[in-house]
Amino acid sequence: GAGVSQTPSNKVTEKGKYVELRCDPISGHTALYWYRQSLGQGPEFLIYFQGTGAADDSGLPNDRFFAVRPEGSVSTLKIQRTERGDSAVYLCASSPQGSYNEQFFGPGTRLTVL
Amino acid sequence: GQNIDQPTEMTATEGAIVQINCTYQTSGFNGLFWYQQHAGEAPTFLSYNVLDGLEEKGRFSSFLSRSKGYSYLLLKELQMKDSASYLCAVRGISYQGGKLIFGQGTELSVKP
Repeated sequence: GAGVSQTPSNKVTEKGKYVELRCDPISGHTALYWYRQSLGQGPEFLIYFQGTGAADDSGLPNDRFFAVRPEGSVSTLKIQRTERGDSAVYLCASSPQGSYNEQFFGPGTRLTVL
Repeated sequence: GQNIDQPTEMTATEGAIVQINCTYQTSGFNGLFWYQQHAGEAPTFLSYNVLDGLEEKGRFSSFLSRSKGYSYLLLKELQMKDSASYLCAVRGISYQGGKLIFGQGTELSVKP
């Protein structure tokens, strides 16, 4: 079966621009997570969805970051007024039936802000 | 606070055994995960411990001591393809929704 997919695989943008990153979780997985990974570091938690609602957004660094999951499946991470420090790989993960199972990660979107 | 420590890098020889240690101090604990990540790829699940003791899975084993805040990943019969980053992650308590707190990763190089 299909795994977690993310688009685009690479995104280059200019400082100050708006970007959207998309995640398609594994079909039937109710929990969806966004993480951010900088070079040489482990993934850093951003936000967690259970169904359509954001159950925990404590990892979003500031109000330039926002994420939605309107139908409980695909999620979009939105970054406004991008800064060079936002450059990283953005990883999405999903898991079945909530939070107690292993998380399956997508290949990530490499965001570069020039 | 949340703190997860693991060595930055390790080197081992093909066919040998290597142990990657992880210590953690977190405000809540609901399980410890090990993931493998090859360069430019997604992390893939290796093992999960929630109770003290050893979990064995083929060439990979993982150990947990909750009282010591300590885990290790043991890789046996090393192969060149095991060269990767190994990530230790702690899952928070239930109301935190299962988010994972990761260490920085241990870059393992397997030499012939």
